[in-house]
Amino acid sequence: DAKTTQPPSMDCAEGRAANLPCNHSTISGNEYVYWYRQIHSQGPQYIIHGLKNNETNEMASLIITEDRKSSTLILPHATLRDTAVYYCIVRRLGNQFYFGTGTSLTVIP
Amino acid sequence: DSGVTQTPKHLITATGQRVTLRCSPRSGDLSVYWYQQSLDQGLQFLIQYYNGEERAKGNILERFSAQQFPDLHSELNLSSLELGDSALYFCASSVEDRVQETQYFGPGTRLLVL
Repeated sequence: DAKTTQPPSMDCAEGRAANLPCNHSTISGNEYVYWYRQIHSQGPQYIIHGLKNNETNEMASLIITEDRKSSTLILPHATLRDTAVYYCIVRRLGNQFYFGTGTSLTVIP
Repeated sequence: DSGVTQTPKHLITATGQRVTLRCSPRSGDLSVYWYQQSLDQGLQFLIQYYNGEERAKGNILERFSAQQFPDLHSELNLSSLELGDSALYFCASSVEDRVQETQYFGPGTRLLVL
């Protein structure tokens, strides 16, 4: 699986957009980018995924660069409940997820 | 609530013992995955079952085994437990076994080996 690189931690003011970057420079053409988050020790929660195009759902937006070597998860209006560890995962044809160390996002009141 | 259930929530046992963790996937999901999360290793994929058959193996120890039953629930068996097996164990499920399948995770079982 392609490896991902994320900053270990980030802060964001409540109500502002949180932009979480992920580098996946060794990604290949058939690998999807997935984002999950984990609040405390709860089970990881699915956020969004994409292959080439930008994606948006009720939780977030995913921006993938044209060369697909990096992506950004955008939480448009961060709330305190968004404080969590965010994982960027690149997955191959095999369906197993390989989690990295993620980004610990702290939303500040 | 993801729809994936895991029991028990907490488990405390002693070294050398054997335990069984149970997972019920979301209704209609055929694929089940097991993950281990320890403080020093992060979230690691252990094993996947699809419709009763083993589909893929990750970093699963020989002391660990799993199975998926006809009703699609799955059990993870951990034997000859060691202190280092203390961790959170998550189960996830997906409808099929395709590339774009989203996995939905359960709340986990916290295992403490004393």
